[in-house]
Amino acid sequence: QKEVEQDPGPLSVPEGAIVSLNCTYSNSAFQYFMWYRQYSRKGPELLMYTYSSGNKEDGRFTAQVDKSSKYISLFIRDSQPSDSATYLCAMSKNYGQNFVFGPGTRLSVLP
Amino acid sequence: NAGVTQTPKFRVLKTGQSMTLLCAQDMNHEYMYWYRQDPGMGLRLIHYSVGEGTTAKGEVPDGYNVSRLKKQNFLLGLESAAPSQTSVYFCASSYSSNPRDLESGANVLTFGAGSRLTVL
Repeated sequence: QKEVEQDPGPLSVPEGAIVSLNCTYSNSAFQYFMWYRQYSRKGPELLMYTYSSGNKEDGRFTAQVDKSSKYISLFIRDSQPSDSATYLCAMSKNYGQNFVFGPGTRLSVLP
Repeated sequence: NAGVTQTPKFRVLKTGQSMTLLCAQDMNHEYMYWYRQDPGMGLRLIHYSVGEGTTAKGEVPDGYNVSRLKKQNFLLGLESAAPSQTSVYFCASSYSSNPRDLESGANVLTFGAGSRLTVL
């Protein structure tokens, strides 16, 4: 079993839709949870991060963490064509160099 | 403000050939990383460096070597390329390795645009 699992997609939605992107993980030592956005032929960029359980909102984006279920989500409200990208979840413990990345979900928002 | 620059962007090799990927950052970051990205596998850490003159193995180091002779540069070498090393390689850097520094941005990874390597 992979340490971090993510729906591979691709996911296609119409403009304005609410998008839900999800990851599950197996290591209960993870404390920091991140979402990266990767446009085609580009490197990933950090979109949001959360620490431990709870919600965090930033504009149209909301990140949720449920540590009891080992499940994290990223919600995108009023999705735009510019949101079309691959979204990678990533996690880390309280210490150490290593981030563990999910395989990514490719999202297309159609005008 | 170039950030992280990777050279070359594309390369085709034959099995057994050698090559070096160069990563350069202009942000005075201490920490540098080499990842590979394969379909369905996510980003996997190959090697990393916690400062000039230091290197350490990541999750998938076999078949690769690295050097960090200057703080701003991190080189990834393939001594004898194999088809299994066909991938997109990303270099990243950060000021800090402490996850608690995410809040200040010091632990945010800045990635290069990637180097696509095909081994025939």
